[in-house]
Amino acid sequence: GQQLNQSPQSMFIQEGEDVSMNCTSSSIFNTWLWYKQDPGEGPVLLIALYKAGELTSNGRLTAQFGITRKDSFLNISASIPSDVGIYFCAGHPLRDYKLSFGAGTTVTVRA
Amino acid sequence: GAGVSQTPSNKVTEKGKYVELRCDPISGHTALYWYRQSLGQGPEFLIYFQGTGAADDSGLPNDRFFAVRPEGSVSTLKIQRTERGDSAVYLCASSLAGGPDNEQFFGPGTRLTVL
Repeated sequence: GQQLNQSPQSMFIQEGEDVSMNCTSSSIFNTWLWYKQDPGEGPVLLIALYKAGELTSNGRLTAQFGITRKDSFLNISASIPSDVGIYFCAGHPLRDYKLSFGAGTTVTVRA
Repeated sequence: GAGVSQTPSNKVTEKGKYVELRCDPISGHTALYWYRQSLGQGPEFLIYFQGTGAADDSGLPNDRFFAVRPEGSVSTLKIQRTERGDSAVYLCASSLAGGPDNEQFFGPGTRLTVL
């Protein structure tokens, strides 16, 4: 089963807002990854983190690998309509090369 | 170049039938993974191939599920005596090599519906 707790489960955004989501685990992870999945597509990698404390940006996206190695967050700044989709955290637990995924955060545009 | 492709994109079958799902990885990628994604959930690991051999099949839920990769490229996931609970999107991913440092590239998935 999945070992990652991702929150929030869903969120509504307005264009221009900053968005934040996070992921926690009860066990240590060696890597933290953030993916985005659009309808009918497979997940696409947004950011990969490999070291505790690492803070990495990719355009308007910023993600951090928590110091305890048990958590990570993803921020999206100045959101735009194409940011809608499902975002997944994922990672490799310690001494395990299998990728574990969170349940996802669904981002939709507020009407 | 071409990404990971999966066929069919949709498969509807009846309970008890046999199905095969195909994955064409990115050319040159030695590692291939199968995942299952249920509605509202993230992908869950099924099996990992390094070359032709299944390096880890610990995620396969039971012996009705089997996968092959005979020539180290295309892989087929086979499900016998399908059950309604098998309905899900089956995702395939490939990477240049195995291990956590190698990005996994996902295909669009096959949506399996068991009636």
